[in-house]
Amino acid sequence: EIVLTQSPATLSLSPGERATLSCRASQSISSYLAWYQEKPGQAPRLLIYDASNRATGIPARFSGSGSGTDFTLTISSLESEDFAVYYCQQRSNWPQTFGQGTKVEIK
Amino acid sequence: QVQLQESGPGLVKPSETLSLTCTVSGYSISSGYYWGWIRQPPGKGLEWIGNIYHSGNTYYNPSLKSRVTISVDTSKNQFSLKLSSVTAADTAVYYCARGPGYVGLSPYFDHWGQGTLVTVTS
Repeated sequence: EIVLTQSPATLSLSPGERATLSCRASQSISSYLAWYQEKPGQAPRLLIYDASNRATGIPARFSGSGSGTDFTLTISSLESEDFAVYYCQQRSNWPQTFGQGTKVEIK
Repeated sequence: QVQLQESGPGLVKPSETLSLTCTVSGYSISSGYYWGWIRQPPGKGLEWIGNIYHSGNTYYNPSLKSRVTISVDTSKNQFSLKLSSVTAADTAVYYCARGPGYVGLSPYFDHWGQGTLVTVTS
């Protein structure tokens, strides 16, 4: 089973700042990585699929990069609605697995 | 637009079977995609439970495989989850979701239900 390790666990930033979230896979997953945003009481929302493709309706301030084992989600300028928990998910190898999450909180 | 809605009992007794149904609107299950179940224990992260492909192929998390069954009812545009022999560790919010993908490559999930909390308690 592929283990996804997200860092940091918590990111404390102010609105307008840039957020950089990391997801590292225990073995190569090519570009088969997705990112989700989860807010309290809501279902996860797909942001990025296959490492760098924005899902429908996702603002351009969200971008994804990486391949192999190291991946990054970047939020170029944090808006108030972006403070949430972010999960990565790999679909390269069965079983598909999720990272443990990174919480982006207001500083 | 595509919408998914979970339904089922919110309380299940230990050792019994958890049963949930996901009703899909805005898209015909038989037309394509994976249809999956994901859960989230209180205060914890996401755990993939299993998927069913529109053709009927099923894929389960090995950690749950002996207890999980996912099935589809195309006449009602629904798919279902059964998890047997539940314990308190199965207490979680259960989500159903749609997953773009094809046989041989697991999906990501682009549409999710709102989730339903299932508590295992005597």
